[in-house]
Amino acid sequence: DGGITQSPKYLFRKEGQNVTLSCEQNLNHDAMYWYRQDPGQGLRLIYYSQIVNDFQKGDIAEGYSVSREKKESFPLTVTSAQKNPTAFYLCASSIARGITDTQYFGPGTRLTVL
Amino acid sequence: AQSVAQPEDQVNVAEGNPLTVKCTYSVSGNPYLFWYVQYPNRGLQFLLKYITGDNLVKGSYGFEAEFNKSQTSFHLKKPSALVSDSALYFCAVRGYNFNKFYFGSGTKLNVKP
Repeated sequence: DGGITQSPKYLFRKEGQNVTLSCEQNLNHDAMYWYRQDPGQGLRLIYYSQIVNDFQKGDIAEGYSVSREKKESFPLTVTSAQKNPTAFYLCASSIARGITDTQYFGPGTRLTVL
Repeated sequence: AQSVAQPEDQVNVAEGNPLTVKCTYSVSGNPYLFWYVQYPNRGLQFLLKYITGDNLVKGSYGFEAEFNKSQTSFHLKKPSALVSDSALYFCAVRGYNFNKFYFGSGTKLNVKP
């Protein structure tokens, strides 16, 4: 899992609540990503950011929001608009400087809606 | 459009036997391909990647992958499987936008003693 930390490891949310998942990296990477993992569906990209103060929607951004105020941090907010938020959420980062770029992943946060 | 496909949801192999986990790709331009492994309730760990050069790429934990341009495949292999290799394996391709990665649906590898 390298130098990427995610917290909390487990998170429980009541319906209608917003929750924020933390992702921090000390790898000096420029790019950061959020993925959602559901059983049998692999990883789906929610948002990504290539530089500070800039981010782009991925394939399933509806109901989620992000910010990138610091290079090291890329928090994800799961809003009440996300209809089915129960999933395993993975944060990743990459150096973003060329074709040899590799993504490295954090340990994940498992979100359960009660 | 960039994509990868992992045609097998699950692969079963006996310990000590060779293993292969299949991946095919579809890309515009040169393919940049990756393999990751995921243990239960953990993040993905990078195993190896193909950027250019030799078609046989060696990676972590004794794994290797064979790039085949004519068959658009990038199969993961290991000569002798271990029970501890049991995990979920993902193939991925870098997109035309180099900062986007596209992942396959994953293949569960079961290695039985």
